[in-house]
Amino acid sequence: GAVVSQHPSWVICKSGTSVKIECRSLDFQATTMFWYRQFPKQSLMLMATSNEGSKATYEQGVEKDKFLINHASLTLSTLTVTSAHPEDSSFYICSARRPGSGTGELFFGEGSRLTVL
Amino acid sequence: AQSVTQLDSQVPVFEEAPVELRCNYSSSVSVYLFWYVQYPNQGLQLLLKYLSGSTLVESINGFEAEFNKSQTSFHLRKPSVHISDTAEYFCAVSRPGGNTPLVFGKGTRLSVIA
Repeated sequence: GAVVSQHPSWVICKSGTSVKIECRSLDFQATTMFWYRQFPKQSLMLMATSNEGSKATYEQGVEKDKFLINHASLTLSTLTVTSAHPEDSSFYICSARRPGSGTGELFFGEGSRLTVL
Repeated sequence: AQSVTQLDSQVPVFEEAPVELRCNYSSSVSVYLFWYVQYPNQGLQLLLKYLSGSTLVESINGFEAEFNKSQTSFHLRKPSVHISDTAEYFCAVSRPGGNTPLVFGKGTRLSVIA
């Protein structure tokens, strides 16, 4: 079964509004979660690394004020797209790794498709 | 830094035919290698991984991949594909040790034709 879950799966919003996407690790505690963005028919681009109890680390070119990440607990990270615009429409996917597993494998959420009108 | 190249963006193949999806990587350090599969509007599912040991790794649904260090490749193969194998396939690498993200290739769209 799924070990990382995202909500919502689909969201449609008006331009200028903010949207929050939740990412939960279901059966393990994740001190670190990764947020990826995927454009249609393209690969996954790492947006940021979410760190529990501290500030997220953003990749070059990703606006931290636009994409707010909060990792307030060991099982929940949230991505808020602030003042969304049509160009923010995309598929957002979070992921996490079991602590101490040493396998390198990342578990991915189901993804959240954002459409900004 | 690591990078991944998937040379084929699309691979059409007839049902029950064999298929190979190519993946090459670049890294100055040792890496872990992965193949993930993505069905439409879904997240990624791990297909198989190479961490160490035997260079040939297999998945439960008939896929296999071979790590070739000299050619820096990790090609994915299946001897006989099914319609249900139609999906996007991503090759990825990560650096062993530490909680580091995966670096993905651009993906290969496998289309199985009846």
